[in-house]
Amino acid sequence: EIVMTQSPATLSVSPGERATLSCRASQSVSSNLAWYQQKRGQAPRLLIHGASTRATGIPARFSGSGSGTEFTLTISSLQSGDFAVYYCQQYNNWPPTFGGGTKVEIK
Amino acid sequence: QVQLVESGGGVVQPGGSLRLSCAASGFSFSSYGMHWVRQAPGKGLEWVAFIQNDGSNKYYADSVKGRFTISRDNSKNTLYLQMNSLRSEDTAVYYCAKEPGVYYMDVWGKGTTVTVSS
Repeated sequence: EIVMTQSPATLSVSPGERATLSCRASQSVSSNLAWYQQKRGQAPRLLIHGASTRATGIPARFSGSGSGTEFTLTISSLQSGDFAVYYCQQYNNWPPTFGGGTKVEIK
Repeated sequence: QVQLVESGGGVVQPGGSLRLSCAASGFSFSSYGMHWVRQAPGKGLEWVAFIQNDGSNKYYADSVKGRFTISRDNSKNTLYLQMNSLRSEDTAVYYCAKEPGVYYMDVWGKGTTVTVSS
């Protein structure tokens, strides 16, 4: 099974600043990588698939990049509703596996 | 709009059984594979099981293989998860999620809580 490792575990950012989240796969997953946002008490929401394609309705301030084993989710200018936990997930190999999450909190 | 609504969660003793349901609406249910994903209290997401659109193929996480069974009734637009021999480590919020043709999850339900405790 492919192990997904996210860093940092917690990211403290001020509103309006940029946030950069990392996700590393234990072996290549090509571009078969998704990002999800989960707010407290809510279900996850798909942000990005194919490593860089925004899901329907996702604002342009969210962008994804990378391929192979190294991926990045960037939030260009954090808004109050963006403080949440973010998970990456690979779907290149079975079973699909998630990273442990990065919590983005208000600085 | 596309909607998934889980039900069937509750408190059950270790070794007990529970059946979760996920009612789908707003899309052609029979055209898409479906996942169950769970989240233990304070923990991350764990994929549990997947079923293809026609029910022909089913896959399970090693942690639930042999104990859980995923199924679907396309005539009722409903996904199921039969959980047997439940353990304390199965305590979690269980989400159903739609698969858009590749193995990620593009729509999620709000989840149903399963607590395994004596």
